[in-house]
Amino acid sequence: QSALTQPASVSGSPGQSITISCTGTSSDVGRYDYVSWYQQHPGKVPKLIIYDVTNRPSGVSSRFSGSKSGNTASLTISGLQAEDEADYYCNSYTSSGTWVFGGGTKVTVL
Amino acid sequence: EVQLLESGGGLGQPGGSLRLSCAASGFTFSTYAMTWVRQAPGNGLEWVSSISGSSSSIYYADSVKGRFTISRDNSRNRVYLQMNSLRAEDTAVYYCALLGVGPDSWGQGTLVTVSS
Repeated sequence: QSALTQPASVSGSPGQSITISCTGTSSDVGRYDYVSWYQQHPGKVPKLIIYDVTNRPSGVSSRFSGSKSGNTASLTISGLQAEDEADYYCNSYTSSGTWVFGGGTKVTVL
Repeated sequence: EVQLLESGGGLGQPGGSLRLSCAASGFTFSTYAMTWVRQAPGNGLEWVSSISGSSSSIYYADSVKGRFTISRDNSRNRVYLQMNSLRAEDTAVYYCALLGVGPDSWGQGTLVTVSS
């Protein structure tokens, strides 16, 4: 039950694009397309921004996009805005029937 | 619209017990697996336990195995988390979640504090 690996922090200037990686194994990220991404502002409930690797829920900005290659999923935020400063977590289903989260990435807008 | 509402959090004694409840609505509850996720203060998200729609498959994180029990009542559209032998490190916000079914749905969470 090892956590998925995310960078601890990523930063960018307004308007830039940043990418957050989420590395798992062939038993989770590499095996299933059940990868989700959540945005969490301090003191708030995590908000789903990507599900099933690439899908955006209704109401989520198109500036957020997801992808996957092998055992690594990625979240890209384009046109970075001040309001994007938050913690981001990935999540994947596993071959054990469980779920596993990444350790989280703090995004800073410079 | 899917709605999940947790209850039962509060102050628990080390070694004591608490029972969390999650009331679900807006979907065919008995069809889907349900999951508990927690977040300790200042920490990341941690998967805790999942139960299948029929309760035939149940899974626990190693950190709670043998101490926590997940169950569900499909007649009442509720899922429960019985937490025994509480430890300080169980202090967290506990979320009830519907995962892996299109857009995930989460409740607002209930705070569990373990302290003497």
